[in-house]
Amino acid sequence: EDQVTQSPEALRLQEGESSSLNCSYTVSGLRGLFWYRQDPGKGPEFLFTLYSAGEEKEKERLKATLTKKESFLHITAPKPEDSATYLCAVQANSGYALNFGKGTSLLVTP
Amino acid sequence: DAEITQSPRHKITETGRQVTLACHQTWNHNNMFWYRQDLGHGLRLIHYSYGVQDTNKGEVSDGYSVSRSNTEDLPLTLESAASSQTSVYFCASSNGINTEAFFGQGTRLTVV
Repeated sequence: EDQVTQSPEALRLQEGESSSLNCSYTVSGLRGLFWYRQDPGKGPEFLFTLYSAGEEKEKERLKATLTKKESFLHITAPKPEDSATYLCAVQANSGYALNFGKGTSLLVTP
Repeated sequence: DAEITQSPRHKITETGRQVTLACHQTWNHNNMFWYRQDLGHGLRLIHYSYGVQDTNKGEVSDGYSVSRSNTEDLPLTLESAASSQTSVYFCASSNGINTEAFFGQGTRLTVV
């Protein structure tokens, strides 16, 4: 059975304090690993897709990396507007649905 | 701009009533999904469809049904609403393999 585990559940950072969020997964044939951002009261917003181990993608202060067992979302010099819940999801070769982790709630304080 | 919309945004219903949540997308995507989001559980898959007349059960499908009569819409029906179905419901769509899913804004459903 596919499993996605995100850690930590919650993270509080000072503005400018870099850190990483972890997503560990088990899946029978990975088609893609996805990162989403979700703001309160809104639907998840797509950030990145990673397809193979060693792949990296960047967007502003965010950088996602992928190994065969886990993915990291690195946040460099975060700002208060980066506060949100970050969701990780895997897509298996068997279908197109996404299997989500429970998310990491990030709070960045000024 | 293409989009995915859910209606209503908020609904309160009584136990035992039938409820239908609407989802409409204008991207012409083949794949559509319904998830529910609850504290402590994250997003869980209810039903999904890969095209017109195609529907499939997800992880938490008991008490729910969907139908796909056209590409744009995938309504979610709660046959007899239960308090355990109080949740936030998200619809999503995607097209093709290895592509991201786009989510609607969600419907907050309260069953009293």
